[in-house]
Order: sequence, then structure tokens, then C-alpha cells
Amino acid sequence: RKEVEQDPGPFNVPEGATVAFNCTYSNSASQSFFWYRQDCRKEPKLLMSVYSSGNEDGRFTAQLNRASQYISLLIRDSKLSDSATYLCVVRADSWGKFQFGAGTQVVVTP
Amino acid sequence: DVKVTQSSRYLVKRTGEKVFLECVQDMDHENMFWYRQDPGLGLRLIYFSYDVKMKEKGDIPEGYSVSREKKERFSLILESASTNQTSMYLCASSLRTNSYEQYFGPGTRLTVT
Repeated sequence: RKEVEQDPGPFNVPEGATVAFNCTYSNSASQSFFWYRQDCRKEPKLLMSVYSSGNEDGRFTAQLNRASQYISLLIRDSKLSDSATYLCVVRADSWGKFQFGAGTQVVVTP
Repeated sequence: DVKVTQSSRYLVKRTGEKVFLECVQDMDHENMFWYRQDPGLGLRLIYFSYDVKMKEKGDIPEGYSVSREKKERFSLILESASTNQTSMYLCASSLRTNSYEQYFGPGTRLTVT
């Protein structure tokens, strides 16, 4: 079983709509959680960290559910520029080692 | 801005060749990482280093070695390239404390024929 699992998608979303997707992790000792964004043929870049109480950054909302061991990302008012692959990232040790999910592809259509 | 650079964007090597991939970061980060990214598998950690001359195996170290002689430079070595090492290789760096954001280089697309 993979340590971090994501629905690969694609999630096809009309412009202006809301899309949400989850990521599950297997290590209950995981300490930190992140969403990264990766555009086609580009390197991953940090989108946002995920805090225990949930957090928002503009149109993006991230939630953490430790009991069920998943994190979620919600994108409101989707823009064409939101089309990308979203990577779920979990850190489980103090050295900064990260486990990456395989990514969820989001395609925003006009 | 943090900058992580990798020596090549595209590389084609023959089976059995020794391959060197170089990564340089300019932000004095303690941690550096080498990943490979394959479709459907996501990023998998090959090796990481938390200080000069220090290294730790990641999830898939077989067939690879690394070198970190200077803080800013982390090299990945394929001792004898094989076709199953055809992949996208991504280098990343991060501070050890305060922030765990990883900054990635642009990647090296390696093809082993």
C-alpha cells in the first residue's frame, strides 16, 4: 500500500465552479502536511501548508482530518490557470523527509 | 528568490554508462534531496542529505549513490545506468528548521537506451 494515496483524476471543472479532492496517508505519526502544485513539464511548487484547524489561502481551502488520516483541498471559483496536478505531501520524521502522492490532475474548462 | 539549478534538462545515456546529475542551490539550505518522478508513481525519494558529507537513503536508493562535498551542491550518480532508470530526476532543497518548504530544480529528463 502506498503511504500517500490520491485520486489521479482528471477532475474536469467548468470555470467558476468548485472542486474538491482528498488525499489519504497511512502513517499515523505524520507531522506536517502540504499541497504542492505541478504544472505540465514543470517542477512542483508549494501551494499551501495544511494546519490542524484548517486554513484558507484566497480561493483555496485545506483541511486535515487526523482521525481518518486524510487531507483535502477545495478550490472555489476555479480559474483556467488552476489547471495543474496537485500533489499531496506528508512529512513523517524530524529530518524533513517527505512522502509524495502521485497527484490529482485538475482541468478547468471554459 | 531561492534558486535550485540542475546541470541538464535532457540527457541521453547508454546502458552501463556512469551518469552524474548535478544540483546546486543558492540559499544556504541544509537539506537537499534527489527524487525520481514516474507516471502514476509520483515522486520517490532516492537519497537526501542534511549536511555536508552526510547522506541518508530514501525509498529507492538501489543503483544510485550521492555526493555532497559542499553545502550548495548535491550530486546523484548512477553507477551503471540501466533502462529502468529512465525517468525525470528532480532535486530539491529546504531549510532544516523553521520552514519545511522544499524548493525544486527544473528537473532532468534522463533516457537510458
